[in-house]
Amino acid sequence: DAGVTQSPTHLIKTRGQQVTLRCSPKSGHDTVSWYQQALGQGPQFIFQYYEEEERQRGNFPDRFSGHQFPNYSSELNVNALLLGDSALYLCASSLWGRFTDTQYFGPGTRLTVL
Amino acid sequence: GNSVTQMEGPVTLSEEAFLTINCTYTATGYPSLFWYVQYPGEGLQLLLKATKADDKGSNKGFEATYRKETTSFHLEKGSVQVSDSAVYFCALSDQTGANNLFFGTGTRLTVIP
Repeated sequence: DAGVTQSPTHLIKTRGQQVTLRCSPKSGHDTVSWYQQALGQGPQFIFQYYEEEERQRGNFPDRFSGHQFPNYSSELNVNALLLGDSALYLCASSLWGRFTDTQYFGPGTRLTVL
Repeated sequence: GNSVTQMEGPVTLSEEAFLTINCTYTATGYPSLFWYVQYPGEGLQLLLKATKADDKGSNKGFEATYRKETTSFHLEKGSVQVSDSAVYFCALSDQTGANNLFFGTGTRLTVIP
């Protein structure tokens, strides 16, 4: 049973560029959430997708956007990169509406902005 | 709003010592509470969870009890091992349809032989 997978593992970009990160949820899950984990901090919720729609959003600017595909996989896009966007980006999957269920996390994509 | 306050780290213990990592929360409803662990170079793994008041979550010798009266979910282990060295995150889920997680800042634990 495949867990949550993310690609790429590492990425280096320069300020002003755009980046796309990808996530495939755990088999059987229909909901994907994205988190940003800055160095030495806990993960912060960016947004969540279900049925190909953004369902909830954290306190992030609209430079951060996403998409969910019919197979439940998801992309996170960040435009006009800033140095402060350097972080580990985590994807988590779950089943919609299952409030007490565990969210399963992928290994993350380490983004470095120079 | 929802927030989690976690014990400041880092924490360094000798093998077989007793571990406590404090966690308190603020929530608007009746959250579920979680402890996640992050080993070096890896993503987050669920360690244990509790979904209602007075529930005790346990796994791999770790325990935490959901205390609604003190809004706490402290992590404990009676005898730590070197392999327990990791960063531990307390988190809550606000049980809305979106079910997103709010994390504390993490506590780095180092266990020395």
